[in-house]
Amino acid sequence: NAGVTQTPKFQVLKTGQSMTLQCAQDMNHEYMSWYRQDPGMGLRLIHYSVGAGITDQGEVPNGYNVSRSTTEDFPLRLLSAAPSQTSVYFCASSRGQRAFFGQGTRLTVV
Amino acid sequence: ELKVEQNPLFLSMQEGKNYTIYCNYSTTSDRLYWYRQDPGKSLESLFVLLSNGAVKQEGRLMASLDTKARLSTLHITAAVHDLSATYFCAVDIGDSNYQLIWGAGTKLIIKP
Repeated sequence: NAGVTQTPKFQVLKTGQSMTLQCAQDMNHEYMSWYRQDPGMGLRLIHYSVGAGITDQGEVPNGYNVSRSTTEDFPLRLLSAAPSQTSVYFCASSRGQRAFFGQGTRLTVV
Repeated sequence: ELKVEQNPLFLSMQEGKNYTIYCNYSTTSDRLYWYRQDPGKSLESLFVLLSNGAVKQEGRLMASLDTKARLSTLHITAAVHDLSATYFCAVDIGDSNYQLIWGAGTKLIIKP
């Protein structure tokens, strides 16, 4: 069972570069979310999706874009990376009472 | 602004002791979750609490929810070293786990 797969696991970007964090799930879940985790803090919701073609903003959406063209995939795009976006990013998919998390992407912006 | 506050944020305890982690939140949600995270790892679902008075137990961990007080507790009984981890509570402001607001986490260290 693959569950929720995030790629890459690690990434270093220069300020101003763009990149896409990939997230795929094979559980046919309707709902998917992106969170960031910073040291000493809980996760913060960036964007979420309630189905293919439907996305919405979470607590900290600025600087990030998402799209949901298929049920399986929910990529997160950083348009112009900033040092403040250095963080660990988690993707989650859910249905009903449980959310399943990917292994995370550790992103450093220099 | 919705807030989810955990305390303590750090807890060092001896094996065999009991302790409680508290999670206070400021919304009227009645769906609260507890997760465990080991260093450098992802998040593991521990408990799903979906109504006032809900109590769930798994091994040495027991979680409860009081929606009127907007308080959840995670109680550890006779702690063992393997329970060392960071524990998070999260409140669901949506209806199906896709809009979770998280506490800052409680780092638990259990010494032999």
